[in-house]
Amino acid sequence: EAGVAQSPRYKIIEKRQSVAFWCNPISGHATLYWYQQILGQGPKLLIQFQNNGVVDDSQLPKDRFSAERLKGVDSTLKIQPAKLEDSAVYLCASSSRKTGGQETQYFGPGTRLLVL
Amino acid sequence: AQKITQTQPGMFVQEKEAVTLDCTYDTSDQSYGLFWYKQPSSGEMIFLIYQGSYDEQNATEGRYSLNFQKARKSANLVISASQLGDSAMYFCAIQLYYGNNRLAFGKGNQVVVIP
Repeated sequence: EAGVAQSPRYKIIEKRQSVAFWCNPISGHATLYWYQQILGQGPKLLIQFQNNGVVDDSQLPKDRFSAERLKGVDSTLKIQPAKLEDSAVYLCASSSRKTGGQETQYFGPGTRLLVL
Repeated sequence: AQKITQTQPGMFVQEKEAVTLDCTYDTSDQSYGLFWYKQPSSGEMIFLIYQGSYDEQNATEGRYSLNFQKARKSANLVISASQLGDSAMYFCAIQLYYGNNRLAFGKGNQVVVIP
């Protein structure tokens, strides 16, 4: 079974530029997550999709970050314009959502973003 | 809100020895799960082990075991017979059973296995 795919793996941009990340979840997984991991910290949830609907985007900086999952499969996360503090690893995860009980999330390799 | 605390400094462990990584959590909910993930230098988060709040027995997965002490709100990871490939960051996370199933992570524990 193929895992979560992400691209690009690395990206370097200058501040005020825009950038987009792509994620393809594990086949059949209805729930997709985007996390931001700043150096020295654990991942922090940015947005969660159930199929193509947003479940939780309370921690997404909506003035500059946007995400979509149009057909309920792959997803794109965009930053426009980027700031220096956006330098981080952006992790995508997917899971088979259950109603109550364990829901293991499986992560992709991440995209390392450096904003200069 | 849920909170995970991992405060150990970086650890060096001799190959083939066991290592224990501390994790304490804070939640007012009764139904939750605790996860441990491994993150090598390549960056991917690898799922290791899960413990449900109602599970009476400690979880085990191969060389990984979870020492779950519910009253103390503690979920320590034990890695037995350490291997060089175990060198990585290890993250503890909590997930509520009901709601949006968000994972709340700690800051991680660094482990370096030396030959």
